[in-house]
Amino acid sequence: DAKTTQPPSMDCAEGRAANLPCNHSTISGNEYVYWYRQIHSQGPQYIIHGLKNNETNEMASLIITEDRKSSTLILPHATLRDTAVYYCIGTNAGGTSYGKLTFGQGTILTVHP
Amino acid sequence: GAGVSQSPSNKVTEKGKDVELRCDPISGHTALYWYRQRLGQGLEFLIYFQGNSAPDKSGLPSDRFSAERTGESVSTLTIQRTQQEDSAVYLCASSLFAKDEQFFGPGTRLTVL
Repeated sequence: DAKTTQPPSMDCAEGRAANLPCNHSTISGNEYVYWYRQIHSQGPQYIIHGLKNNETNEMASLIITEDRKSSTLILPHATLRDTAVYYCIGTNAGGTSYGKLTFGQGTILTVHP
Repeated sequence: GAGVSQSPSNKVTEKGKDVELRCDPISGHTALYWYRQRLGQGLEFLIYFQGNSAPDKSGLPSDRFSAERTGESVSTLTIQRTQQEDSAVYLCASSLFAKDEQFFGPGTRLTVL
């Protein structure tokens, strides 16, 4: 699985867009980039995933660079409830470990009023 | 519909005792995962079940840890001769298929005295 690197913490003002970067320079062609978040004392929650095209859903957008070495998760209008640890994960898309997630330290996003 | 459930929610045990943790995945989900999260740390993958395939046990930290899954339903994680370093939140997740988003349960907080 690809090693990912994220900043340890970020701040964002409520109502503004939160842009969370992730470096995954060793990602291979068949590895997906997944984003999960974990709000304090809860289990992780899936946000979005992608392979090489940009993706958007009701929660967020995922922008993946053309060389796939980095990506950015965008929360378009952050709210206080978006305060959480955000994990960027590169995961094996084949073999017996298909889908296994390896969580790093993530980025602590704090949304303030 | 019902999400992933785990029991017990909290477990306090004495060093050297065996414990069993239970996970009820979402009905119809073929993949089931166990993770461990120590205080202030990210998630550690433990074991992964996919349908009738042999489980991926590569994350189990020692032979004191084992897990079983009955068909595509309930799973139990057993820790024998518990040690203080086993204290953590144990999280279970399930997904429809291995490549799909994982839905996490609330976790079991294990404290070994």
